[in-house]
Amino acid sequence: DAGVTQSPTHLIKTRGQQVTLRCSPKSGHDTVCWYQQALGQGPQFIFQYYEEEERQRGNFPDRFSGHQFPNYSSELNVNALLLGDSALYLCASSRDRGEETQYFGPGTRLLVL
Amino acid sequence: GQNIDQPTEMTATEGAIVQINCTYQTSGFNGLFWYQQHAGEAPTFLSYNVLDGLEEKGRFSSFLSRSKGYSYLLLKELQMKDSASYLCAVKSKPGAGSYQLTFGKGTKLSVIP
Repeated sequence: DAGVTQSPTHLIKTRGQQVTLRCSPKSGHDTVCWYQQALGQGPQFIFQYYEEEERQRGNFPDRFSGHQFPNYSSELNVNALLLGDSALYLCASSRDRGEETQYFGPGTRLLVL
Repeated sequence: GQNIDQPTEMTATEGAIVQINCTYQTSGFNGLFWYQQHAGEAPTFLSYNVLDGLEEKGRFSSFLSRSKGYSYLLLKELQMKDSASYLCAVKSKPGAGSYQLTFGKGTKLSVIP
């Protein structure tokens, strides 16, 4: 039973660039949440996708956008990168719009120079 | 809004017992999770409490008091591999139909010989 997978594992970008991160949920899961985790902090909720629509959104600017595909996989896009966007980006999947336990992928570590 | 507090760091001795506390203020409370996160890795699910009382799972136990907005994670017979950050996360339902996890900043536990 495959768990949550994310790609790439690491990424280096420069300010102003755009980045796309990818997530495949755990088998049987239909809901995907994205989190940003700065060093020494807890994960901060970015948004949740269910049935290919954004259902909940945290306190993040419009530079952060996403997409969910019919196979439940998801992408996180960040435009106009800032130095402060450097963080670990975590994807978590669950069933039923987050009602059940969320399971996390290994994350993508993004460094913005 | 949501507010979750937990100690930043704790140190305990191998073989001992440690209790990590978490207090929260939230609307639409729907349960509380504890996750373990080793450095550079993704959070892994430890426990879930939705009703008041103690949930025991091997060396780990978690307690919840909804009226006090309080939870703790109890780790017994500490092992060196238990050195990690422990994240308290509150599940809530701020909008119609979807659930959201809000994380504390995490407690970094160091187990010493």
